Amino acid sequence: SQTIHQWPATLVQPVGSPLSLECTVEGTSNPNLYWYRQAAGRGLQLLFYSVGIGQISSEVPQNLSASRPQDRQFILSSKKLLLSDSGFYLCAWSMLAGFYNEQFFGPGTRLTVL
Amino acid sequence: QQQVKQSPQSLIVQKGGISIINCAYENTAFDYFPWYQQFPGKGPALLIAIRPDVSEKKEGRFTISFNKSAKQFSLHIMDSQPGDSATYFCAAITGNQFYFGTGTSLTVIP
Repeated sequence: SQTIHQWPATLVQPVGSPLSLECTVEGTSNPNLYWYRQAAGRGLQLLFYSVGIGQISSEVPQNLSASRPQDRQFILSSKKLLLSDSGFYLCAWSMLAGFYNEQFFGPGTRLTVL
Repeated sequence: QQQVKQSPQSLIVQKGGISIINCAYENTAFDYFPWYQQFPGKGPALLIAIRPDVSEKKEGRFTISFNKSAKQFSLHIMDSQPGDSATYFCAAITGNQFYFGTGTSLTVIP
């Protein structure tokens, strides 16, 4: 069965510090990978998605970036965090092939920027 | 432009009652419609899903009703329980494109 991991689970960072959030998927190959941000009590904002190694599409211009160094690894980064970067970050995967192509979400990372 | 419109934003239901959450879409290319359930501090989890060639799908107390001509679909939670209190998201999918509704916060009062 497939599983998706995110770490860290929680993170408190000062404004201006760098960020690195990691997401890995097990039990599948060549998944589509996604990063979402969710503000408190709000919906899901798609930040980045990737259909393969080194292939990143950005949905929202901002000070965040994403990378996919390996097939099942997706990293969200920032060189300098802003207060507005606080939120709940979710990684998700999906498979285009097959009858069912839902997205499956990881447990999330709660980021607080102070 | 919001591709999937979800309502209501919040919903309070008595235990044992029926919870109904509605979603509407415009793009007829959508071919898969899942619903997700999210508890506080957790990632959304797939709850139930339907394809547009089916008008209804039931899994336990959860039912999706789909109206292709009206481009609307809804989630019905029968015999709602306090443990169902969560945020629910509808979604619409075509190919690699996923669009989520804005979410409905459901509170089931004991």
